[in-house]
Amino acid sequence: QKEVEQDPGPLSVPEGAIVSLNCTYSNSAFQYFMWYRQYSRKGPELLMYTYSSGNKEDGRFTAQVDKSSKYISLFIRDSQPSDSATYLCAMRKPTGGTSYGKLTFGQGTILTVHP
Amino acid sequence: DSGVTQTPKHLITATGQRVTLRCSPRSGDLSVYWYQQSLDQGLQFLIQYYNGEERAKGNILERFSAQQFPDLHSELNLSSLELGDSALYFCASSVEAGGAGETQYFGPGTRLLVL
Repeated sequence: QKEVEQDPGPLSVPEGAIVSLNCTYSNSAFQYFMWYRQYSRKGPELLMYTYSSGNKEDGRFTAQVDKSSKYISLFIRDSQPSDSATYLCAMRKPTGGTSYGKLTFGQGTILTVHP
Repeated sequence: DSGVTQTPKHLITATGQRVTLRCSPRSGDLSVYWYQQSLDQGLQFLIQYYNGEERAKGNILERFSAQQFPDLHSELNLSSLELGDSALYFCASSVEAGGAGETQYFGPGTRLLVL
């Protein structure tokens, strides 16, 4: 079983829809949670970074973390065709031991927003 | 543009060969990370260097090695290449060794094809 599970989709939605992307994890040592966006043939770019349970909002994006359920979500409001990409959740343990900056990624969800 | 540069962009080689991938971190960043992205395994952490020293190791094969030089650029050496090594290899950098709130910035990747 993978430490981080993410439904690979693909997910196809009409422009303007609210998109919900989710990841579950099994290791309670994960304390920092990220969402990266990756366009085709490009490197991942950071969208959101949270390290506490609850919601964090940035423009059309909201990241939600529920540590008790080991579940994180990313919501995209008013989705646009330019949001079409692969969305990767990533997690990290506190610095130290053998982990340091190591990120553990989900498989990625392919999202297409059609006009 | 993340500020992380990787060369070459594409690499085609034969089984059994050895290749070197190069990464220059963002100006001022001391940590360099290497990740491998394949269709079946997703994005996997390989190794982290911080200011010239190895700091964390992931699922890196013994045929693979890396180093970080005094000018902070890093090289990933892949030897005795196999078909299964075909993947995208990403380099990322961060300011420190992975403290709370620290962001990893990814380069554009090197696409390796082993024939």
